[in-house]
Amino acid sequence: DVKVTQSSRYLVKRTGEKVFLECVQDMDHENMFWYRQDPGLGLRLIYFSYDVKMKEKGDIPEGYSVSREKKERFSLILESASTNQTSMYLCASSLGTSGSVGEQYFGPGTRLTVT
Amino acid sequence: AQSVAQPEDQVNVAEGNPLTVKCTYSVSGNPYLFWYVQYPNRGLQFLLKYITGDNLVKGSYGFEAEFNKSQTSFHLKKPSALVSDSALYFCAVRGPPGGYNKLIFGAGTRLAVHP
Repeated sequence: DVKVTQSSRYLVKRTGEKVFLECVQDMDHENMFWYRQDPGLGLRLIYFSYDVKMKEKGDIPEGYSVSREKKERFSLILESASTNQTSMYLCASSLGTSGSVGEQYFGPGTRLTVT
Repeated sequence: AQSVAQPEDQVNVAEGNPLTVKCTYSVSGNPYLFWYVQYPNRGLQFLLKYITGDNLVKGSYGFEAEFNKSQTSFHLKKPSALVSDSALYFCAVRGPPGGYNKLIFGAGTRLAVHP
C-alpha cells in the first residue's frame, strides 16, 4: 500500500514564525502536492512538484514556498506565519502523467493553528 | 476550465436506506472523475474512479458511482447506508491534459447517517 506520512498531526505556531511541514511518500511517485482544506472551500492546491527540484504554483501560493530535494520528500514552508494560514494541510502523491490517470494518495493531514 | 460542483453541503439518511451524494462536472475533453472520503481528523481516502467504459463504477466499502454524460453527473451511491459511512465526501476531476495529473476538488458533502 502507498503510504504518505506528514511530520505532525497538530501544530501550534505564533504569528511571524517560520513553519516547516514535511511530507514523505514511500512509493517512488513522481508527483507530490500540497493542499489546504477549509470548511466550505474544499481542497485548494498550494504548490505541486513533478520531479526533484521542480515545482509549480497552484491556485493559492501566496505566503508559501516549497522544497523538494529528494524524490520522496516534499516540504511546505510558511515564511512568516499569519493567522489566516490556520488550516488543515494535506499532502498527496501520485504517479507521473505517463503512468497514471490522476489518482492521488493522501497523508493524514496537519492541523495548523497560528495564534 | 475543468470544474466540479457538489450542490449539497450535507446529506442526511437513515441507516439501511439508500444514499446518493451528487456531483456534476464541467470539462473539456473526456472526464477522469474520482470520489474520495474523509473521516474525522484523517486524510482523504480513494473510493473509486471513472476513466472510460461501463457507466456504473464500483468502489470500496460497497460504494458505487454512476457516470451520466448527458447530464454531466457522477453521483455516488450506496444501496444501504451504515452509520459508519458518516464522513465528508469529495468529488474530483482531473485537470486538463498536460497539467501533471492535478485534481480539482468540489467543496465536499457531509454525509450523516442516523441510526
